Amino acid sequence: AQSVTQPDIHITVSEGASLELRCNYSYGATPYLFWYVQSPGQGLQLLLKYFSGDTLVQGIKGFEAEFKRSQSSFNLRKPSVHWSDAAEYFCAVAPRSNDYKLSFGAGTTVTVRA
Amino acid sequence: EAGVTQFPSHSVIEKGQTVTLRCDPISGHDNLYWYRRVMGKEIKFLLHFVKESKQDESGMPNNRFLAERTGGTYSTLKVQPAELEDSGVYFCASSVVRGFSSGNTIYFGEGSWLTVV
Repeated sequence: AQSVTQPDIHITVSEGASLELRCNYSYGATPYLFWYVQSPGQGLQLLLKYFSGDTLVQGIKGFEAEFKRSQSSFNLRKPSVHWSDAAEYFCAVAPRSNDYKLSFGAGTTVTVRA
Repeated sequence: EAGVTQFPSHSVIEKGQTVTLRCDPISGHDNLYWYRRVMGKEIKFLLHFVKESKQDESGMPNNRFLAERTGGTYSTLKVQPAELEDSGVYFCASSVVRGFSSGNTIYFGEGSWLTVV
């Protein structure tokens, strides 16, 4: 069965520390890969996406993600977290054949402590 | 330019009542999508419109849910009668063309939070 797994429900990180959020997917063929963020009171905002090519993808707000085909993973990273990064983060995939149909992971809530 | 707008932002209704959620997509976006996240679950695709036509409604959970997009502009999602398990957040999204091909972006609204008591 196709699935998207975010193993960490909640992560707490200190401001200025690095952050890594994990995402694993199970699909028949490599899908399109995405990371979205939802800050309090805001809609879902696209951070970055991977379609093909360079496996290290740069996104907005200083985030990057690395696609690893051998591990079926698409982990999100940020070298230095700011208090404004406190939010819920969603990994999502879409099959290349029906690329409007996103499947989301359960989400990871990030808390940033001073 | 206005983003995807959803109304109401929050609603609390009793079990058995009817609720209608509205979505105004970005002007010029023919493609409109509904997703929802019920409590404790992942965000799930509900359906996809191209203009006023339903292209894919495979994610609609049951016949208590009715989505319309008259005139191909705004869309409504009606839940009748509402059940407790319908509580959650309903997201609308829109895009110029379908999906993410050709560098297209799908824009999400802030969501409509529904609580059924």
